[in-house]
Amino acid sequence: DAMVIQNPRYQVTQFGKPVTLSCSQTLNHNVMYWYQQKSSQAPKLLFHYYDKDFNNEADTPDNFQSRRPNTSFCFLDIRSPGLGDAAMYLCATSSRKGIQPQHFGDGTRLSIL
Amino acid sequence: AQSVSQHNHHVILSEAASLELGCNYSYGGTVNLFWYVQYPGQHLQLLLKYFSGDPLVKGIKGFEAEFIKSKFSFNLRKPSVQWSDTAEYFCAVNARSNYQLIWGAGTKLIIKP
Repeated sequence: DAMVIQNPRYQVTQFGKPVTLSCSQTLNHNVMYWYQQKSSQAPKLLFHYYDKDFNNEADTPDNFQSRRPNTSFCFLDIRSPGLGDAAMYLCATSSRKGIQPQHFGDGTRLSIL
Repeated sequence: AQSVSQHNHHVILSEAASLELGCNYSYGGTVNLFWYVQYPGQHLQLLLKYFSGDPLVKGIKGFEAEFIKSKFSFNLRKPSVQWSDTAEYFCAVNARSNYQLIWGAGTKLIIKP
């Protein structure tokens, strides 16, 4: 089935140790999004790509970076994770910006030791 | 600034009870409206959406929502809930001119068997 796949489902890293989360999609959607979701809160948009056009939300910390090497894959890099970065990270896609619903992956739960 | 308000953070109902979850948004222009559901341990799934046309929208699993433009509301309803409806429900809105989804804080629904 066409879907949004995130790996790994659970990631544990040490304070300050760089970590990369990955997302792939078989939907051939133009737009990919990364969200951070903390417990009992709504998802918070970090970035999105429209094709290769990268868009960073104004309040996304510099510690967070993203790469989209091709249509199917998108990566979230956290350069120096702090305790406050422990959260669920969600990848989503949509076929076009704005008017189409977003399709979400299962998420990666990141824990910081 | 655009915002979405979900009136109840926690709702507890017995099976077969009727459900209505409130959602109000603040934006004067044309919007797309969504309800997403997140079952325990699962990813966000689209429950239903409104883009245009009939303001009464039917979604999956017997849910429906009514867009009332004059009240800036998009309330979610289900006539008879089941234990399996236990989940967190998020209302989200985006302006037609904008890619960004504005999320409500979510409502945790617990159905007692």
